[in-house]
Amino acid sequence: TQLLEQSPQFLSIQEGENLTVYCNSSSVFSSLQWYRQEPGEGPVLLVTVVTGGEVKKLKRLTFQFGDARKDSSLHITAAQPGDTGLYLCMDTDKLIFGTGTRLQVFP
Amino acid sequence: NAGVTQTPKFQVLKTGQSMTLQCAQDMNHEYMSWYRQDPGMGLRLIHYSVGAGITDQGEVPNGYNVSRSTTEDFPLRLLSAAPSQTSVYFCASSHTENEQFFGPGTRLTVL
Repeated sequence: TQLLEQSPQFLSIQEGENLTVYCNSSSVFSSLQWYRQEPGEGPVLLVTVVTGGEVKKLKRLTFQFGDARKDSSLHITAAQPGDTGLYLCMDTDKLIFGTGTRLQVFP
Repeated sequence: NAGVTQTPKFQVLKTGQSMTLQCAQDMNHEYMSWYRQDPGMGLRLIHYSVGAGITDQGEVPNGYNVSRSTTEDFPLRLLSAAPSQTSVYFCASSHTENEQFFGPGTRLTVL
């Protein structure tokens, strides 16, 4: 059974700081998606990465897919309180979600 | 478009009771799926469907049944509720294997 481990599990930072969260798999991803979930709501897609080594940017968010397609990272530059939420990675082929990183950004 | 709708929003059951969680989408998506989310965990796939009349089991299917008689609807049935089924349930739909659109969730408590 594939395991998707995300780290760190929790992250509390001040507005303006940078951060990186990680998603690691025990097997190769076909493709991977990152979602953000706010309290009381369903997850919302941020990005899909398909190719090993791929880098995608979404405003202050930078997503990287590992060369071997077994890991991915999400880097947020100058975090804002609106970035607060649960960040989840997902294997799109197996519909398996990672354990999640809960981010809190304080003003 | 309403997107993905789920009813009810909250439900309390007693052990052994049965109920159906409703999910509907108006985006003509082929793929629909049910997940449960427990504290400190990500979402775990219960059942999924790749089209009307076709369903398959996910990671945690025991205690749940599904059917897909129409493209729009994908109800989840709890046959005999157990406290271990206390969770938040999310329904999602997508066009093939692209972006999943999630409903707002049903928060279920089994006493």
